[in-house]
Amino acid sequence: KQEVTQIPAALSVPEGENLVLNCSFTDSAIYNLQWFRQDPGKGLTSLLLIQSSQREQTSGRLNASLDKSSGRSTLYIAASQPGDSATYLCAVAARSFQKLVFGTGTRLLVSP
Amino acid sequence: NAGVTQTPKFQVLKTGQSMTLQCAQDMNHEYMSWYRQDPGMGLRLIHYSVGAGITDQGEVPNGYNVSRSTTEDFPLRLLSAAPSQTSVYFCASRQSESYEQYFGPGTRLTVT
Repeated sequence: KQEVTQIPAALSVPEGENLVLNCSFTDSAIYNLQWFRQDPGKGLTSLLLIQSSQREQTSGRLNASLDKSSGRSTLYIAASQPGDSATYLCAVAARSFQKLVFGTGTRLLVSP
Repeated sequence: NAGVTQTPKFQVLKTGQSMTLQCAQDMNHEYMSWYRQDPGMGLRLIHYSVGAGITDQGEVPNGYNVSRSTTEDFPLRLLSAAPSQTSVYFCASRQSESYEQYFGPGTRLTVT
């Protein structure tokens, strides 16, 4: 059974820092991995999607990497801003199922 | 496009009551799914549909029913609410050829 773990569970940094969020999964037979952002009381917003054949994806200040063989992904946020404060979730999609398996998220607080 | 919409935003039920959570999307997505989000558990798949007339169970289907009579709508029914169904419910959709999921804003349900 696929399990997804995110470390750390919470992170507090001052504005301007570069930071890394970690995601690990137990079964490397994935179709893709997706990073989401969730603001309090809101739905999920897709940030980046990495197909299993890709190594990384970039969008603005965000860069996500994928190492299938080791079952790991990282989300790198450059020059963090208070507006980046949110919970970040990673989720993996298995080849033979139509579902995403989610981690429990990393709650990020960026202070001015 | 309105994207994925959900109603109601909040609902309080008494044990044993029934209700339907509504979900609609205007992106002509074939795939739709329902997740519940509980503290410390991450999001878990309840039911999903790969097209009109086709539904299947996810990870935690007990106590919930779904149907998919149109491409746009995917309602989730609670036949006899239980306190264990207190949660935040998210509906999601995606194109068949793309695995990027789009989420609705969620319904916060409390069963007393």
